[in-house]
Amino acid sequence: GENVEQHPSTLSVQEGDSAVIKCTYSDSASNYFPWYKQELGKRPQLIIDIRSNVGEKKDQRIAVTLNKTAKHFSLHITETQPEDSAVYFCAASIKSGGSYIPTFGRGTSLIVHP
Amino acid sequence: DVKVTQSSRYLVKRTGEKVFLECVQDMDHENMFWYRQDPGLGLRLIYFSYDVKMKEKGDIPEGYSVSREKKERFSLILESASTNQTSMYLCASSFIGQGYFDEQFFGPGTRLTVL
Repeated sequence: GENVEQHPSTLSVQEGDSAVIKCTYSDSASNYFPWYKQELGKRPQLIIDIRSNVGEKKDQRIAVTLNKTAKHFSLHITETQPEDSAVYFCAASIKSGGSYIPTFGRGTSLIVHP
Repeated sequence: DVKVTQSSRYLVKRTGEKVFLECVQDMDHENMFWYRQDPGLGLRLIYFSYDVKMKEKGDIPEGYSVSREKKERFSLILESASTNQTSMYLCASSFIGQGYFDEQFFGPGTRLTVL
């Protein structure tokens, strides 16, 4: 299986609803889990990240939770707005050879309907 | 403000041509990365470098090589371009953090078409 799996691939919500995107990873030694947002035609940008010594982190309407035992982490967006529409990528540090490399999920296309 | 720039936004090349994509960052980052982005496949790592003249293979290095002669510059080379290398190429850089990489800053991307 893939080192980082992300679900769902597409998420459609009404403005004001919450959105949750989930990722699982394979390497129990992973210790850094960022989330990137990519708007149409633009470059990915970090929106929030969490390290393995923390279970939850919040920044205004965005939160990330981490369950190290189950090897999964989730992005939560509350009170969604049309400008939240974008592709969201999770990532984890996965060991490859002698190095840890950033490995991305396949992305979730979030559509927020006004 | 971190700036990562790429040499071209759009590039059209013919099968068999040698292609150079260049990335420059101005924040003294140790790590630099090359990804390709294809619909439904996310960001796949081609190569990365954690220091000058150092390189490590990512998930899909076949058909590509890289060069890092200066800390701020990381080049991706397609020795003999093929149509299946038509894609969006993204460069990124980061400091070495606690997890061997920290927040990544991406360039604007180069959309390469190989005819």
